[in-house]
Amino acid sequence: QVQLVESGGGVVQPGRSLRLSCAASGFPFSSYGMHWVRQAPGKGLEWLALIWNDGNNKYYSDSVKGRFTISRENSENTLYLHMTSLKAEDTGVYYCSTGGTSWPYTSFDSWGQGTRVTVSS
Amino acid sequence: DVVVTQSPLSLPVTLGQPASISCRSSQTLLNTDGNTYLNWFQQRPGQSPRRLIYKVSNRDSGVPDRFSGSGSGSDFTLKISRVEAEDVGVYYCMQGTHWPPMYTFGQGTKLEIK
Repeated sequence: QVQLVESGGGVVQPGRSLRLSCAASGFPFSSYGMHWVRQAPGKGLEWLALIWNDGNNKYYSDSVKGRFTISRENSENTLYLHMTSLKAEDTGVYYCSTGGTSWPYTSFDSWGQGTRVTVSS
Repeated sequence: DVVVTQSPLSLPVTLGQPASISCRSSQTLLNTDGNTYLNWFQQRPGQSPRRLIYKVSNRDSGVPDRFSGSGSGSDFTLKISRVEAEDVGVYYCMQGTHWPPMYTFGQGTKLEIK
């Protein structure tokens, strides 16, 4: 069965960086577009970034463009989110989710358990 | 940018009664490929989101048939025919039609038992 396991969250000071990981199993990872989605405390879901299956195309929401970088290592079935210049408003639970095997990658049919990021001094 | 608006934001329902959630977008969600990329998700308390419905009306495997999705263009609805206790949580619609990719979630509708 599909399994997505996020890790790398924690408490970080404003302005610092953090890298999140999402370990995937149970499906052909290299064939799937993948997303990062976050949820601020008590708030709704916010899409952050998409990476195509081959890693050649990446898209970001305006709220993280220029600060966050999505990447993947298909040989290790792992998705990443490198976050820089972190702000208090980046606090929340970060989820990875499957995008499906073809454009426009709207699947979102599997989700990890999430990893919590707290940006605070 | 396309805006997705759900209503109501809070939905108290008596067990066994029907429930309905509306999702409206500021632009049509009919894609040039002929598909309408509108999904519905359920997030139970303390859990990750779970997809219930994809492309307006296709129910995911394992989703009870009391859940149904309908609509077209910019107006969509999620219906629960008879609410059960396990349906408590927040429901989100999400559009994935528009370019550049901007997958927009609705604000969420919190369903509770009256």
